Amino acid sequence: SQKIEQNSEALNIQEGKTATLTCNYTNYSPAYLQWYRQDPGRGPVFLLLIRENEKEKRKERLKVTFDTTLKQSLFHITASQPADSATYLCALSRGYSTLTFGKGTMLLVSP
Amino acid sequence: GAGVSQSPRYKVAKRGQDVALRCDPISGHVSLFWYQQALGQGPEFLTYFQNEAQLDKSGLPSDRFFAERPEGSVSTLKIQRTQQEDSAVYLCASTQPQGGQYEQYFGPGTRLTVT
Repeated sequence: SQKIEQNSEALNIQEGKTATLTCNYTNYSPAYLQWYRQDPGRGPVFLLLIRENEKEKRKERLKVTFDTTLKQSLFHITASQPADSATYLCALSRGYSTLTFGKGTMLLVSP
Repeated sequence: GAGVSQSPRYKVAKRGQDVALRCDPISGHVSLFWYQQALGQGPEFLTYFQNEAQLDKSGLPSDRFFAERPEGSVSTLKIQRTQQEDSAVYLCASTQPQGGQYEQYFGPGTRLTVT
């Protein structure tokens, strides 16, 4: 069955450092990989989408890589800020279809 | 403009009661999704509508779960004879698949607690 794994433990980093979150998947051939941010008591908020034929995508302080051979995506937040503290969810889809989510990784950025 | 709204935000039901959860998607969004999110887990797909047509209901956990979107806008997720394992946050998302825009816009969710 499809399996998506994200960093199982919370990630604690200091303000100003780069946070790197990992998403690995098996038994799946996604066409698209998306990253969402979720704050407590709120719904997920879309951050970035990367297609299977793209290696890297950037948006402001965010960068996503997608390696379909390794079946892995890395999500980077540079110059991290305490306001970046949240849970980050990786989601896969084959196109315009439902999303299959990982469990998420909680990021805590300390001042 | 207004985002996706859901009501109620919180619902406490006694085991065996029926509940109805409402979702108002972003105006004009063709597609609507329902997800269930247990504590500490990612959202899990329940069902998907395109306009009023329910195209995929493979994620509904049992026949106690029923969803509808009769006029292609507002959707209702109904759970009959609630059980404790139904306790979760129910998320609604909408999207407008034009120009390759696949991101989904989520509502705040309804937290259902079955006692």
